[in-house]
Amino acid sequence: DAGVTQSPTHLIKTRGQQVTLRCSPKSGHDTVSWYQQALGQGPQFIFQYYEEEERQRGNFPDRFSGHQFPNYSSELNVNALLLGDSALYLCASSLSSDGYTFGSGTRLTVV
Amino acid sequence: QKEVEQDPGPLSVPEGAIVSLNCTYSNSAFQYFMWYRQYSRKGPELLMYTYSSGNKEDGRFTAQVDKSSKYISLFIRDSQPSDSATYLCAMSARQSGNTPLVFGKGTRLSVIA
Repeated sequence: DAGVTQSPTHLIKTRGQQVTLRCSPKSGHDTVSWYQQALGQGPQFIFQYYEEEERQRGNFPDRFSGHQFPNYSSELNVNALLLGDSALYLCASSLSSDGYTFGSGTRLTVV
Repeated sequence: QKEVEQDPGPLSVPEGAIVSLNCTYSNSAFQYFMWYRQYSRKGPELLMYTYSSGNKEDGRFTAQVDKSSKYISLFIRDSQPSDSATYLCAMSARQSGNTPLVFGKGTRLSVIA
């Protein structure tokens, strides 16, 4: 299956720490978007990467940063973790002419 | 007011029932409307995709969009226990895969055998 792969699946971190989440897009897709889904809420757009650059950004603080590599895979970094950062982090890949394919997400718990 | 409103439920129905799920929105720029299904511990998967006002049918699923009322619906006929999941509505102003999606909260559905 050449779908979207995210790692790790679960993560527990302490307040103030930093975390890196990883995403491999669906084969053939060149755009990666990250979403945060808090418990009981819909996904919220964090940012989108294309051609290794951040193309669009949602209403998230600078503590949230990312990177896209030449092979289109991507990382999401969160610094100075807060309890409120506990959520399911979803990666979605796409082509400009196509819709989104979501991964299963990384569940981050901040204690 | 949030851009997209969706009743989170939970909604519990007997097997075979017709299910109606709804969202309202406030942004007139939204042109593309989607319904995603999300099983527990999984990412959302696209169920239905419609453009502008009208109806679209796919098997047991029908999506309706009423842009004049800023109201969209998803109907599930002959509901099955395997339909038990959270259903998310999503919208965007443009069709392309580089336009961020705006989601509702999701409605949790349980279909009881």
